Amino acid sequence: NAGVMQNPRHLVRRRGQEARLRCSPMKGHSHVYWYRQLPEEGLKFMVYLQKENIIDESGMPKERFSAEFPKEGPSILRIQQVVRGDSAAYFCASSPANREGSGNTIYFGEGSWLTVV
Amino acid sequence: GQQLNQSPQSMFIQEGEDVSMNCTSSSIFNTWLWYKQEPGEGPVLLIALYKAGELTSNGRLTAQFGITRKDSFLNISASIPSDVGIYFCAGQLRVSAGNNRKLIWGLGTSLAVNP
Repeated sequence: NAGVMQNPRHLVRRRGQEARLRCSPMKGHSHVYWYRQLPEEGLKFMVYLQKENIIDESGMPKERFSAEFPKEGPSILRIQQVVRGDSAAYFCASSPANREGSGNTIYFGEGSWLTVV
Repeated sequence: GQQLNQSPQSMFIQEGEDVSMNCTSSSIFNTWLWYKQEPGEGPVLLIALYKAGELTSNGRLTAQFGITRKDSFLNISASIPSDVGIYFCAGQLRVSAGNNRKLIWGLGTSLAVNP
């Protein structure tokens, strides 16, 4: 039973290039979350998606960042025209479908480390 | 954004000692989750709590969901060197139609264990 799979694990980009991070949720999970973590800091929520829908993107920067979770295939976090401040660990998490009135457990992938040089 | 109060911020203990950390919130949560993160890795779920008053164990780890629904604690008994890492609490607001279920996070407790 594979967990949340993220790739690449490590990505180096030059300033101005694009970064694409992929996330395949756990089998049977239809909800995906993206978090960013800077060195020595906690996790910062970015976006919450269900299949083909963005539910909450309140943590996403207004420019250069976008996320999608298509009907088929992995979720993609896309960062255009990267800057050095985008260097961070990006974690994807997934959970199963909503259960009214009850909680659900959220499982994390191992992260994608982006370095902008 | 919204955040949980997690304490202590860091702990340095001797191997064999017990450890206790807690999280508090001004909001009522429906779920409390405890994660451990080691350098270069993603957070790993340790314990999930779904009911007020629930006490759950996972090996040497024990966590409780506070009666008020506004707090939770995690205890580690007889610590060992591999317990080193950062422990995060996360709370989830009550799930209902239309609610998003993003987690509200504590800032973490960094644990160091001296062999």
